[in-house]
Amino acid sequence: ELKVEQNPLFLSMQEGKNYTIYCNYSTTSDRLYWYRQDPGKSLESLFVLLSNGAVKQEGRLMASLDTKARLSTLHITAAVHDLSATYFCAVANYGGSQGNLIFGKGTKLSVKP
Amino acid sequence: DTEVTQTPKHLVMGMTNKKSLKCEQHMGHRAMYWYKQKAKKPPELMFVYSYEKLSINESVPSRFSPECPNSSLLNLHLHALQPEDSALYLCASSHRASPPGELFFGEGSRLTVL
Repeated sequence: ELKVEQNPLFLSMQEGKNYTIYCNYSTTSDRLYWYRQDPGKSLESLFVLLSNGAVKQEGRLMASLDTKARLSTLHITAAVHDLSATYFCAVANYGGSQGNLIFGKGTKLSVKP
Repeated sequence: DTEVTQTPKHLVMGMTNKKSLKCEQHMGHRAMYWYKQKAKKPPELMFVYSYEKLSINESVPSRFSPECPNSSLLNLHLHALQPEDSALYLCASSHRASPPGELFFGEGSRLTVL
Protein backbone atom coordinates (compact mmCIF):
# COMPACT_ATOMS: atom_id res chain seq x y z
CA GLU A 1 0.00 0.00 0.00
CA LEU A 2 1.38 3.37 -1.03
CA LYS A 3 1.91 5.80 1.85
CA VAL A 4 2.91 9.43 1.41
CA GLU A 5 4.54 11.46 4.16
CA GLN A 6 5.13 15.17 4.08
CA ASN A 7 7.24 17.13 6.48
CA PRO A 8 7.06 19.47 8.09
CA LEU A 9 3.29 19.66 8.53
CA PHE A 10 3.53 23.24 9.74
CA LEU A 11 6.10 25.78 8.69
CA SER A 12 6.39 29.33 9.89
CA MET A 13 8.91 31.33 7.91
CA GLN A 14 10.14 34.87 7.80
CA GLU A 15 9.99 36.75 4.56
CA GLY A 16 13.22 36.49 2.61
CA LYS A 17 14.22 33.11 4.04
CA ASN A 18 14.66 29.82 2.21
CA TYR A 19 13.17 26.49 3.17
CA THR A 20 12.37 23.03 1.83
CA ILE A 21 9.29 20.84 2.16
CA TYR A 22 9.85 17.09 1.83
CA CYS A 23 7.56 14.44 0.40
CA ASN A 24 8.51 10.79 0.93
CA TYR A 25 6.57 7.85 -0.41
CA SER A 26 6.72 4.16 0.35
CA THR A 27 6.47 2.24 -2.94
CA THR A 28 7.67 2.70 -6.49
CA SER A 29 6.07 5.50 -8.45
CA ASP A 30 7.27 7.75 -11.23
CA ARG A 31 4.68 10.51 -11.13
CA LEU A 32 4.35 13.13 -8.48
CA TYR A 33 2.32 16.32 -8.30
CA TRP A 34 2.42 19.39 -6.09
CA TYR A 35 -0.72 21.38 -5.31
CA ARG A 36 -1.38 24.58 -3.45
CA GLN A 37 -4.55 25.28 -1.46
CA ASP A 38 -5.52 28.66 -0.02
CA PRO A 39 -7.90 28.67 2.98
CA GLY A 40 -11.45 27.82 1.93
CA LYS A 41 -10.40 27.37 -1.69
CA SER A 42 -9.78 24.50 -4.05
CA LEU A 43 -6.48 22.91 -5.06
CA GLU A 44 -4.32 24.56 -7.68
CA SER A 45 -1.81 22.49 -9.62
CA LEU A 46 1.76 23.75 -9.19
CA PHE A 47 4.11 21.16 -10.60
CA VAL A 48 3.96 17.90 -12.54
CA LEU A 49 7.03 15.67 -12.11
CA LEU A 50 7.02 12.68 -14.41
CA SER A 51 10.49 11.17 -14.27
CA ASN A 52 13.50 10.61 -12.08
CA GLY A 53 15.57 13.76 -11.81
CA ALA A 54 12.73 16.02 -12.98
CA VAL A 55 13.10 19.60 -11.79
CA LYS A 56 10.52 22.33 -12.32
CA GLN A 57 10.66 25.97 -11.27
CA GLU A 58 8.03 28.66 -11.11
CA GLY A 59 8.92 31.95 -9.47
CA ARG A 60 10.18 31.35 -5.94
CA LEU A 61 9.21 27.66 -5.94
CA MET A 62 11.26 24.77 -7.28
CA ALA A 63 10.23 21.12 -7.18
CA SER A 64 12.33 18.03 -7.82
CA LEU A 65 11.80 14.29 -7.93
CA ASP A 66 14.17 11.45 -7.04
CA THR A 67 12.31 8.23 -7.78
CA LYS A 68 15.15 6.06 -6.50
CA ALA A 69 15.04 7.72 -3.09
CA ARG A 70 11.22 7.99 -3.35
CA LEU A 71 11.55 11.63 -2.43
CA SER A 72 10.34 14.93 -3.79
CA THR A 73 11.27 18.35 -2.49
CA LEU A 74 9.57 21.72 -2.82
CA HIS A 75 12.11 24.46 -2.25
CA ILE A 76 11.05 27.98 -1.38
CA THR A 77 13.48 30.78 -2.14
CA ALA A 78 13.23 34.21 -0.48
CA ALA A 79 9.72 33.61 0.81
CA VAL A 80 7.05 36.28 0.50
CA HIS A 81 3.71 36.55 2.29
CA ASP A 82 1.79 35.58 -0.86
CA LEU A 83 3.23 32.08 -0.60
CA SER A 84 1.28 31.44 2.62
CA ALA A 85 -0.96 28.44 1.87
CA THR A 86 -1.15 24.68 2.36
CA TYR A 87 0.97 22.63 -0.02
CA PHE A 88 0.14 19.03 -0.87
CA CYS A 89 2.19 16.48 -2.70
CA ALA A 90 0.31 13.67 -4.45
CA VAL A 91 1.88 10.46 -5.71
CA ALA A 92 0.57 8.28 -8.52
CA ASN A 93 -0.66 4.96 -7.19
CA TYR A 94 -0.62 2.19 -9.76
CA GLY A 95 -2.37 -0.32 -7.56
CA GLY A 96 -6.03 -1.27 -7.73
CA SER A 97 -8.33 -1.53 -10.72
CA GLN A 98 -7.49 1.98 -11.86
CA GLY A 99 -4.80 4.30 -10.64
CA ASN A 100 -5.34 7.30 -8.48
CA LEU A 101 -3.31 9.85 -6.55
CA ILE A 102 -2.39 9.43 -2.89
CA PHE A 103 -2.09 12.78 -1.12
CA GLY A 104 0.26 13.70 1.68
CA LYS A 105 -1.22 15.37 4.76
CA GLY A 106 -0.17 18.79 3.55
CA THR A 107 2.26 21.41 4.80
CA LYS A 108 0.72 24.60 6.11
CA LEU A 109 3.10 27.41 5.29
CA SER A 110 2.87 30.76 7.02
CA VAL A 111 5.22 33.52 5.86
CA LYS A 112 5.55 36.38 8.30
CA PRO A 113 7.07 39.80 7.69
CA ASP B 1 -10.22 30.68 -14.15
CA THR B 2 -10.95 27.03 -13.41
CA GLU B 3 -12.07 24.86 -16.31
CA VAL B 4 -13.91 22.54 -13.97
CA THR B 5 -17.14 24.13 -12.84
CA GLN B 6 -19.01 23.01 -9.75
CA THR B 7 -22.47 24.00 -8.56
CA PRO B 8 -23.68 24.97 -6.08
CA LYS B 9 -20.75 26.60 -4.29
CA HIS B 10 -22.54 26.34 -0.96
CA LEU B 11 -25.30 23.97 0.11
CA VAL B 12 -27.11 23.61 3.43
CA MET B 13 -29.38 20.63 3.81
CA GLY B 14 -31.25 18.75 6.47
CA MET B 15 -30.74 15.08 7.13
CA THR B 16 -33.95 14.14 5.31
CA ASN B 17 -33.30 16.22 2.20
CA LYS B 18 -32.27 15.04 -1.24
CA LYS B 19 -29.90 17.28 -3.16
CA SER B 20 -27.31 17.00 -5.90
CA LEU B 21 -23.89 18.44 -6.59
CA LYS B 22 -22.97 19.05 -10.20
CA CYS B 23 -19.67 19.21 -12.01
CA GLU B 24 -18.85 20.05 -15.61
CA GLN B 25 -15.62 20.09 -17.61
CA HIS B 26 -14.97 20.92 -21.24
CA MET B 27 -11.34 19.93 -21.50
CA GLY B 28 -12.04 16.62 -23.22
CA HIS B 29 -10.90 14.71 -20.14
CA ARG B 30 -12.09 11.12 -19.88
CA ALA B 31 -11.66 10.67 -16.13
CA MET B 32 -13.67 12.50 -13.47
CA TYR B 33 -13.43 12.30 -9.72
CA TRP B 34 -15.24 13.17 -6.53
CA TYR B 35 -13.15 14.00 -3.46
CA LYS B 36 -14.27 14.89 0.03
CA GLN B 37 -12.14 17.24 2.12
CA LYS B 38 -12.59 17.97 5.81
CA ALA B 39 -10.95 20.98 7.39
CA LYS B 40 -7.15 20.76 7.69
CA LYS B 41 -7.09 17.36 6.00
CA PRO B 42 -6.02 16.21 2.54
CA PRO B 43 -8.66 15.36 -0.04
CA GLU B 44 -10.09 11.84 0.25
CA LEU B 45 -11.02 10.02 -2.93
CA MET B 46 -14.66 8.96 -3.15
CA PHE B 47 -15.34 7.93 -6.74
CA VAL B 48 -13.58 7.72 -10.09
CA TYR B 49 -15.30 7.60 -13.45
CA SER B 50 -13.23 6.50 -16.40
CA TYR B 51 -14.79 6.79 -19.85
CA GLU B 52 -18.13 7.35 -18.14
CA LYS B 53 -17.94 4.11 -16.18
CA LEU B 54 -17.50 3.92 -12.44
CA SER B 55 -14.06 2.47 -11.88
CA ILE B 56 -13.36 3.23 -8.22
CA ASN B 57 -15.75 3.46 -5.30
CA GLU B 58 -13.72 3.94 -2.14
CA SER B 59 -16.23 2.24 0.18
CA VAL B 60 -18.42 5.30 0.22
CA PRO B 61 -21.78 5.00 2.05
CA SER B 62 -24.79 4.53 -0.21
CA ARG B 63 -26.23 7.87 0.86
CA PHE B 64 -23.78 9.25 -1.72
CA SER B 65 -24.70 8.23 -5.25
CA PRO B 66 -22.56 9.30 -8.20
CA GLU B 67 -23.74 9.63 -11.76
CA CYS B 68 -21.87 10.38 -14.98
CA PRO B 69 -24.45 11.27 -17.67
CA ASN B 70 -21.76 11.96 -20.28
CA SER B 71 -18.05 12.60 -20.54
CA SER B 72 -18.40 16.25 -19.52
CA LEU B 73 -20.77 15.93 -16.58
CA LEU B 74 -20.53 14.39 -13.15
CA ASN B 75 -23.18 14.48 -10.45
CA LEU B 76 -23.20 13.48 -6.82
CA HIS B 77 -26.65 12.73 -5.44
CA LEU B 78 -27.06 13.19 -1.71
CA HIS B 79 -29.75 11.61 0.44
CA ALA B 80 -30.21 11.13 4.16
CA LEU B 81 -26.84 12.63 4.99
CA GLN B 82 -25.40 12.93 8.47
CA PRO B 83 -23.86 16.04 10.08
CA GLU B 84 -20.43 14.39 9.81
CA ASP B 85 -20.80 14.50 6.03
CA SER B 86 -20.37 18.26 6.18
CA ALA B 87 -17.24 19.00 4.15
CA LEU B 88 -15.87 20.54 0.98
CA TYR B 89 -16.69 18.31 -1.98
CA LEU B 90 -14.24 18.64 -4.82
CA CYS B 91 -14.73 17.52 -8.37
CA ALA B 92 -11.67 16.92 -10.52
CA SER B 93 -10.88 15.72 -13.99
CA SER B 94 -7.83 14.32 -15.76
CA HIS B 95 -6.96 13.20 -19.28
CA ARG B 96 -7.48 9.61 -18.23
CA ALA B 97 -7.49 7.61 -15.03
CA SER B 98 -4.63 5.32 -15.89
CA PRO B 99 -1.80 6.04 -15.57
CA PRO B 100 -2.76 8.44 -12.77
CA GLY B 101 -2.44 11.94 -14.20
CA GLU B 102 -2.59 15.55 -13.17
CA LEU B 103 -5.90 16.44 -11.60
CA PHE B 104 -7.70 19.67 -12.40
CA PHE B 105 -9.95 20.63 -9.54
CA GLY B 106 -13.13 22.64 -9.49
CA GLU B 107 -13.71 25.30 -6.85
CA GLY B 108 -15.63 22.89 -4.68
CA SER B 109 -19.09 22.72 -3.13
CA ARG B 110 -19.15 23.43 0.58
CA LEU B 111 -21.82 21.24 2.15
CA THR B 112 -23.34 21.75 5.58
CA VAL B 113 -25.68 19.09 6.93
CA LEU B 114 -27.89 20.21 9.79
